Amino acid sequence: AQSVTQLGSHVSVSEGALVLLRCNYSSSVPPYLFWYVQYPNQGLQLLLKYTTGATLVKGINGFEAEFKKSETSFHLTKPSAHMSDAAEYFCAVRMNAGNNRKLIWGLGTSLAVNP
Amino acid sequence: DTAVSQTPKYLVTQMGNDKSIKCEQNLGHDTMYWYKQDSKKFLKIMFSYNNKELIINETVPNRFSPKSPDKAHLNLHINSLELGDSAVYFCASRHRATNTGELFFGEGSRLTVL
Repeated sequence: AQSVTQLGSHVSVSEGALVLLRCNYSSSVPPYLFWYVQYPNQGLQLLLKYTTGATLVKGINGFEAEFKKSETSFHLTKPSAHMSDAAEYFCAVRMNAGNNRKLIWGLGTSLAVNP
Repeated sequence: DTAVSQTPKYLVTQMGNDKSIKCEQNLGHDTMYWYKQDSKKFLKIMFSYNNKELIINETVPNRFSPKSPDKAHLNLHINSLELGDSAVYFCASRHRATNTGELFFGEGSRLTVL
């Protein structure tokens, strides 16, 4: 069965520091991978996604993520945090084959950015 | 124009009441969802409709009844509200045929049951 693990429910960084949010998945086949962001009192929006091709994916607001099949990981990074990056971040996976193509969500990581 | 719009945004009501939340999308998508997000931000899928047909019905109390009058609308009616129903309910949509397709979310409807 598929699952998604986000290591660290809360991450705190200083403004200008590197952001690293971890996501590991378990799946019998390489899935489609997504990162969503939820700003306070808003709905979720897509940051970036991996489907096929280049394993380093660039998204909005300077974020990027790398699909590492050998590590079953899809960690989200940003070189320099900005105050406006404070939000909840969700990793999600979807099977790209078979009958069950439900989107499986991680529990989320709350990112705090300190001045 | 808002892509996925939900009404109302806030809803405060007493236990035992019945309430509805409405959702509309103008993206031309064929699949719509209801998610529940609890106080710990955990996202749980409740229902999904594809072209007005129910395709996902997770373990949700019978008090929750979705209705899709057309593929652009998905409403959620909740009977006999309980304290544990307090949460933020999100509507989302996408093109089902596009497995890689992203979900587009509404801004959420915060339900508080007193």
